[in-house]
Amino acid sequence: QVQLVQSGGEVKKPGASVKVSCKASGFTFMSYGISWLRQAPGQGPEWMGWTSGFNGNTKYAQKVQGRVTMTTDTSTNTAYMELRSLRSDDTAVYYCARDRFGERNFDIWGQGTLVTVSS
Amino acid sequence: EIVLTQSPGTLSLSPGERATLSCRASQSVSNSFLAWYQQKPGQAPRLLIFGASNRATGIPNRFSGSGSGTDFTLTISRLEAEDFAVYYCQQYGSSPRTFGQGTKVEVK
Repeated sequence: QVQLVQSGGEVKKPGASVKVSCKASGFTFMSYGISWLRQAPGQGPEWMGWTSGFNGNTKYAQKVQGRVTMTTDTSTNTAYMELRSLRSDDTAVYYCARDRFGERNFDIWGQGTLVTVSS
Repeated sequence: EIVLTQSPGTLSLSPGERATLSCRASQSVSNSFLAWYQQKPGQAPRLLIFGASNRATGIPNRFSGSGSGTDFTLTISRLEAEDFAVYYCQQYGSSPRTFGQGTKVEVK
């Protein structure tokens, strides 16, 4: 079935980096893009950026531009999101979601990865 | 960026009752590019409605969406036990795509 499976939770210290993976199955990875979103406790989701499964093109939200890198590996149908210079307010559940052109809704979501930033 | 304001914050209803959730945008959402999601505790959001009124694959017809411009509504015609959850609206008419803060539908 169509699914996205994310890597496990992470605990990081302020200033560190985190890299989350998202493995796709059940659909043609190169025909879609993957968006990354995060959700802090009690808040709605926040879109962080998008990467194309076809050519690796990216779009990033202004809020994280300069600290985030999104990549894909078409040999393993896996997308990655790396966030650097972590701060306490980066603590959230991070989701990947299928997003064909990086400009519409999100029809399939990963299960989420909790990233905790704490000294 | 477009700010989406959902109301009410919490809706207390009984199974079998009708739920009406509102999503108001700070400016017009072009092409009615608005989606609704359901989220249960510990789970990812699930797409219910796109394009303001189109049900996603596998979504029961008790869920319906309406609206245009700045005012949108999600209606659940008769609440079932599995419908008690948090609901979010999301606009994709302009960049960046944004979400509302959510409406919790709880058992009365």
